[in-house]
Amino acid sequence: DVKVTQSSRYLVKRTGEKVFLECVQDMDHENMFWYRQDPGLGLRLIYFSYDVKMKEKGDIPEGYSVSREKKERFSLILESASTNQTSMYLCASKRLIPNDEQYFGPGTRLTVT
Amino acid sequence: KQEVTQIPAALSVPEGENLVLNCSFTDSAIYNLQWFRQDPGKGLTSLLLIQSSQREQTSGRLNASLDKSSGRSTLYIAASQPGDSATYLCAVNMNRDDKIIFGKGTRLHILP
Repeated sequence: DVKVTQSSRYLVKRTGEKVFLECVQDMDHENMFWYRQDPGLGLRLIYFSYDVKMKEKGDIPEGYSVSREKKERFSLILESASTNQTSMYLCASKRLIPNDEQYFGPGTRLTVT
Repeated sequence: KQEVTQIPAALSVPEGENLVLNCSFTDSAIYNLQWFRQDPGKGLTSLLLIQSSQREQTSGRLNASLDKSSGRSTLYIAASQPGDSATYLCAVNMNRDDKIIFGKGTRLHILP
């Protein structure tokens, strides 16, 4: 079974703090994704990565950066957290071939106060 | 720009009934369509993936169909149970960039 894990289920941070959200997958998937999910807005893609050290902007990259130093790990970084970044953050991975399923982690509920 | 719509946003049905959830998309140039389940406060669990060349996929009490030309997919749930209560999302994988576009989901409540 594919397993995607996220470092925290719940996180509370203060405005202006630097926040790291970690995602690890154990199936040697090439593609990894970060989404945020908000009521009424659904899932929105922040960043994705096809391979180590590669990254592509999604639909809402402003205020975020990412790091992929190892194939199994994809980190989302909030350089200076703001209250409008309070959200559920979901990581996903899949193989590079298009006709393959996307597997999600359990999510991190981030609250910025 | 691809848009994925799920109607209704919420649905309540008595236990034991068969039901259909709908998903529509505006751009038919998709690789595949995937149905997910999400329990409150949790991540997404993949239910079924239909490739663009397929018409349907089945898993247990679930059956998903795809009509690519008309931009529609349905998820059929047979003999619904209270444990089926969750939000169901559909998502399409586009031909370019391997990006996946999600609908906003249908929140399903099965009444015991």
